[in-house]
Order: sequence, then C-alpha cells, then structure tokens
Amino acid sequence: DADVTQTPRNRITKTGKRIMLECSQTKGHDRMYWYRQDPGLGLQLIYYSFDVKDINKGEISDGYSVSRQAQAKFSLSLESAIPNQTALYFCATSTGSTTGELFFGEGSRLTVL
Amino acid sequence: GEDVEQSLFLSVREGDSSVINCTYTDSSSTYLYWYKQEPGAGLQLLTYIFSNMDMKQDQRLTVLLNKKDKHLSLRIADTQTGDSAIYFCAESIRRGGNRLAFGKGNQVVVIP
Repeated sequence: DADVTQTPRNRITKTGKRIMLECSQTKGHDRMYWYRQDPGLGLQLIYYSFDVKDINKGEISDGYSVSRQAQAKFSLSLESAIPNQTALYFCATSTGSTTGELFFGEGSRLTVL
Repeated sequence: GEDVEQSLFLSVREGDSSVINCTYTDSSSTYLYWYKQEPGAGLQLLTYIFSNMDMKQDQRLTVLLNKKDKHLSLRIADTQTGDSAIYFCAESIRRGGNRLAFGKGNQVVVIP
C-alpha cells in the first residue's frame, strides 16, 4: 500500500465545477504539500502546510484552496475549475529533516473541459 | 529568486553513460537533489548532495556540484532501460520555510 495516497487518480470535469483532490498519508509526517505538474514546466508549489494549524501559499495559489483536516490529511480544492487548471497534481510529505526529502503520492490527473 | 534550469530531453543507448545537467540560483541552498519520475508514478528521491561536497557517488550514479557556477549534474553509468524516466533536479529553499524548488525536468529515453 502506498504511504501517500491521492484520490481520485483521474478526474474529468467541466468549467465552473468545484473539485476536491484528497491526500492522506500513513508516514506520520507533519509537513504536506500540493504541487502541480505541467509538461515542460516541472513542478510548481501550490500550497504547503507544516502542521495542522499552519497553511502557506506557494508559487501558484490563485484559484486554489486547501484544508488540513488532520495531520494525515491535506485536501486541495478548485472552487470553480477552469481549463488551464488541467494538469497532474501531486501531494507530498516530509518530516522537516535537514535533508528535506519529499515523499510523493502517485498523482491525480485532472482534466477541465 | 528561485529558478532551476534543466534541458528537456536526452536519448541514450543502453550501456552508455548519460549525463543530465541543471543550474540553480539560490546560493544558500543547503541540499541539492535528483528525483526520478517513472511513467504514471510520482517522484522518488534518487540521490542528494550536501552543498559543501563536490561529488557524491552512489553505485551507478555520480553527482557533481560546482557551487561557483551553481551547476549540478547527474551521471548514470551503464544506462539501463529501467532508467528511462523524467529526472528533476531540486534545490532547498530556506526563504519562507524549508521547501524544495524543482527544475522543469529532463526526459531520458534509453534505446535498447
């Protein structure tokens, strides 16, 4: 079983719909992240959370919101999806150790028509 | 600012060596990383190097760091078909909390 689990793995939706991507982890890590991957653009950080009461905007937070429901759960919401939010979304966790290693989920592919 | 640059595509014959390059901008980065993304999967840490090192070797992988030029490279010896993937370099960003900034990725295709 994956340590960092994302649901759904694939989703097709229409412009204007509200979408939630969920992430849960069994690693016991305090830090969680949401990244977006676009071909040729690499990974861009959307939001990150260092503990349940700490939420921070990343490089591209506009159009997104997050909720850290528990240490193990971090969800990403698109309140009103638009086509340029079509991308592969990754959740990641870390311990906050000095090496800074991130552990990634398998990704959620979102298509907005 | 945070800007990690990588070239986008490399093809290499099985058994040859492959070299992937990356430049970064944050001179205060403590660690620099190479992540591997296989098709349909998330990223996995391949190796990392501490900023006070010039080189790190880990089996078939050799990481070279040139801090003066802010240049990082990954050499894969005896490249195998299982090495076909997208490789991302990343630097640790201390500003705004410890987090990672990723390059755009370099797709490596190994030709049998």
